Amino acid sequence: DVVMTQSPLSLPVTLGQPASISCRSSQSLVYSDGNTYLNWFQQRPGQSPRRLIYKVSNRDSGVPDRFSGSGSGTDFTLKISRVEAEDFGVYYCMQGTHWPPTFGQGTKVEIK
Amino acid sequence: QVQLQESGPGLVKPSETLSLTCAVSGYSISSGYYWGWIRQPPGKGLECIGSIYHSGSTYYNPSLKSRVTITLDTPKNQFSLKLSSVTAADTAVYYCARWDGYNTNAFDIWGQGTMVTVSS
Repeated sequence: DVVMTQSPLSLPVTLGQPASISCRSSQSLVYSDGNTYLNWFQQRPGQSPRRLIYKVSNRDSGVPDRFSGSGSGTDFTLKISRVEAEDFGVYYCMQGTHWPPTFGQGTKVEIK
Repeated sequence: QVQLQESGPGLVKPSETLSLTCAVSGYSISSGYYWGWIRQPPGKGLECIGSIYHSGSTYYNPSLKSRVTITLDTPKNQFSLKLSSVTAADTAVYYCARWDGYNTNAFDIWGQGTMVTVSS
């Protein structure tokens, strides 16, 4: 299985400040069709995961533009330009290039 | 608006079979997409269990393949998960979700999840 490694695992942030989460895969996530199937999810306490970003950098409908994704190959980043109160929770990266799909361990974004 | 809702027993005895159902509304599962299951042990991360295509083809996580069966019930517009020979390690929140294999290769719409505890 492809191992997804996130860092940091805990990220204390101040409201209004930026935040950045790294995700690295044990294999390239470039698929034979040329696409890179790297996704980011947000999970608030007691809720199911919500997808924020697909194919590295595409925001899902309704996702604020303060969220952005970047990266290529095996190295990816999720950035929040200015953290708001509703952004606290756990963030997961997930690869869909290789079967089975695998998730990172999660990064807990919490109030500093 | 597509919505998914899990249902099933919250408590299963060790060595027995865990059975869950996911009811889908807002979309006919026989029309397209893959439909899958993911689980999350308490305080831990997410694990893909497997998925089923609208045609009935199944794709299972090799780590669980010997114990997993996912089936479609198109007249009821739902799909189901069976996990046999459960142990305490199978205690988790179980989510059903739609897998978009056409564009994004990801679970894009999730149910709210249902907690299943394995205990005697």
